[in-house]
Amino acid sequence: DIQMTQSPSLLSASVGDRVTLNCKASQNIYKNLAWYQQKLGEAPKLLIYNANSLQTGIPSRFSGSGSGTDFTLTISSLQPEDVATYFCQQYYSGSTFGAGTKLELK
Amino acid sequence: QVQLQQSGTELVKPGSSLKLSCKASGYTFTDYAMQAVKQRPGQGLEWIGYILPWNGVTDYNQKFKGKATLTVDTSSNTAYMELSRLTSDDSAVYYCARAAVADWYFDFWGPGTMVTVSS
Repeated sequence: DIQMTQSPSLLSASVGDRVTLNCKASQNIYKNLAWYQQKLGEAPKLLIYNANSLQTGIPSRFSGSGSGTDFTLTISSLQPEDVATYFCQQYYSGSTFGAGTKLELK
Repeated sequence: QVQLQQSGTELVKPGSSLKLSCKASGYTFTDYAMQAVKQRPGQGLEWIGYILPWNGVTDYNQKFKGKATLTVDTSSNTAYMELSRLTSDDSAVYYCARAAVADWYFDFWGPGTMVTVSS
């Protein structure tokens, strides 16, 4: 099974900061990676698919990069409404999610 | 607009079975796979499996084989997940989510069904 490791598990940042979240796959998954945002009490929401494609309706401050085993989600200018937990997911073989990065305001 | 409407909160006894529903609207039900995901309180997301509504083909995470069974009723655009021999470890929120066949990311999610297993 493919394992997904996210870092950090908790991230504190200020409004306006550039924020980077990391996700590492245990084997090559090419670009078969998605990022989801989950706010407290809500279902996850798709942000990024195929490693770097922005889902329709998602603000352009969100971007994804990477391929193979190392991936990054970047928020260019953190907004208060971005407080959430972020999960990566590989869909190269079955599906596996990372444990999540909880993003809070400093 | 795409909507996935899930059945309501459940409180069930250990050892029992349960069937959850996920009714799709706003798109052609047989054009997309339906996925199932488990989330225990305060925990991450676990992929359970998927079903292809047009032919009933399923695939499961090895961990959930024998625990979860996915079915569909194409006449009502509804997907079902039956959970068997419930224990406290099955207490969780269960989500259905839509996925395109070409790319297996989950583009729309239902609101989730909370299941509590307790005597």
